[in-house]
Amino acid sequence: NAGVMQNPRHLVRRRGQEARLRCSPMKGHSHVYWYRQLPEEGLKFMVYLQKENIIDESGMPKERFSAEFPKEGPSILRIQQVVRGDSAAYFCASSPPLEGAGEKLFFGSGTQLSVL
Amino acid sequence: AQKITQTQPGMFVQEKEAVTLDCTYDTSDPSYGLFWYKQPSSGEMIFLIYQGSYDQQNATEGRYSLNFQKARKSANLVISASQLGDSAMYFCAMKGFQNFNKFYFGSGTKLNVKP
Repeated sequence: NAGVMQNPRHLVRRRGQEARLRCSPMKGHSHVYWYRQLPEEGLKFMVYLQKENIIDESGMPKERFSAEFPKEGPSILRIQQVVRGDSAAYFCASSPPLEGAGEKLFFGSGTQLSVL
Repeated sequence: AQKITQTQPGMFVQEKEAVTLDCTYDTSDPSYGLFWYKQPSSGEMIFLIYQGSYDQQNATEGRYSLNFQKARKSANLVISASQLGDSAMYFCAMKGFQNFNKFYFGSGTKLNVKP
């Protein structure tokens, strides 16, 4: 009964490098969400994916950021050419297929990205 | 537009006492859900309690209860008999019926429980 698994837990990158954050949802969950949390702030929605589909990416910057959730394997949040402002905690969450206002999210432990 | 407001950046409470964490919201959605999550210093987000906008009774989960006042658009979290392990960040969140995929989070309240 593993929960939402994120790795790595901590990621250090230099400016201009690429960052890849991975998320394996809970077993049976087909919906994945990515959130960003800046220090002392709440979580900001980035993107919502189902298997092989991006449903809503309205919270994701148009440039340098991309996300995927392939048929097999984890969801990947990719940040190209990272800048210092990308330093944040990135949380992945998943939910089961049933949709409704009452469906809660199950969160991973987050990936702390530090850009030097 | 959806908005969640938590006006208390930090709170202190004595161990074994009750504490109320405030949350107000704004939404045009006729049906929505309200959630509270706890984030300890380790970073993970832990679901605490849920309240549906059409639920007649206030939600309770053990020592957690949600004081839901729909007319005032508030969904305050009440923690009874505080424990040292309750020290954490607490986030209020909302999800609308028309937009299931987006949870809107408040900025959080940092609760410190004093021995």
